[in-house]
Amino acid sequence: ILNVEQSPQSLHVQEGDSTNFTCSFPSSNFYALHWYRWETAKSPEALFVMTLNGDEKKKGRISATLNTKEGYSYLYIKGSQPEDSATYLCAFNYGQNFVFGPGTRLSVLP
Amino acid sequence: KAGVTQTPRYLIKTRGQQVTLSCSPISGHRSVSWYQQTPGQGLQFLFEYFSETQRNKGNFPGRFSGRQFSNSRSEMNVSTLELGDSALYLCASSGAGGTSVHEQFFGPGTRLTVL
Repeated sequence: ILNVEQSPQSLHVQEGDSTNFTCSFPSSNFYALHWYRWETAKSPEALFVMTLNGDEKKKGRISATLNTKEGYSYLYIKGSQPEDSATYLCAFNYGQNFVFGPGTRLSVLP
Repeated sequence: KAGVTQTPRYLIKTRGQQVTLSCSPISGHRSVSWYQQTPGQGLQFLFEYFSETQRNKGNFPGRFSGRQFSNSRSEMNVSTLELGDSALYLCASSGAGGTSVHEQFFGPGTRLTVL
C-alpha cells in the first residue's frame, strides 16, 4: 500500500509569518505530484502540478519544490495572511492512480 | 466559463439502497475523476473517465461504478449502500489528455448520508 505523508498535521501561525509544509511520497513509479488548497466549505483548488525532479513552482506568495529521488516536496508560504487559512493537500500520482496525503491544516491568526 | 457542477448537493439514503450522483465538467473538459472524502480516510481516488472510457480506477469495491456520456457528463453509482459509504463525493474535471500532469478543477461535492 502506497503511503503519502504530510507534516505537520496542523499549524498555527501569526499573520506575516512565513511557513512551510512537507509532503513525503514513494520515490519509485513517480509520475506527478499535485498540491491543492482546500478552504472550508469550498472545493479543493489546484495550486501546482509538478513532474520533474528539481522543479520549483511559484504562484504569488506560495511556492513549491520537488525532489523525486528522495520522495518529498515542500510547500512554502511567504508572509502568511488570514486568507491562507486552509487545508493543504498533496497527491502523488503514479501510473494510473492517485494517493492523497492527509493534509496540513493551516490557521493564520490576525 | 461555468465551473464543475455536481447534483444533488445533499442526499440521505438508507442501507441497502442505491444512489446515483451526477457531475458536469467544465465545458470542453473530457476527463472526469471521482473522489471520496471521509474524516477517517481523507481524500481517496475512485476512478477517472476520459472520452466515455474508464481509464483509471482506485481500490474500491465493485459496488462503486461510474460512466461518462458523450457530452463528458459523468455519473457515479453506489449500489447496496453501507453506513461506511457516508462521505463527501467530489468530482474533478481536467481539460487535457488526463489528470496526471494537468490541473484538476473540483466541483462542490455531494454529501451522502447513509442511515
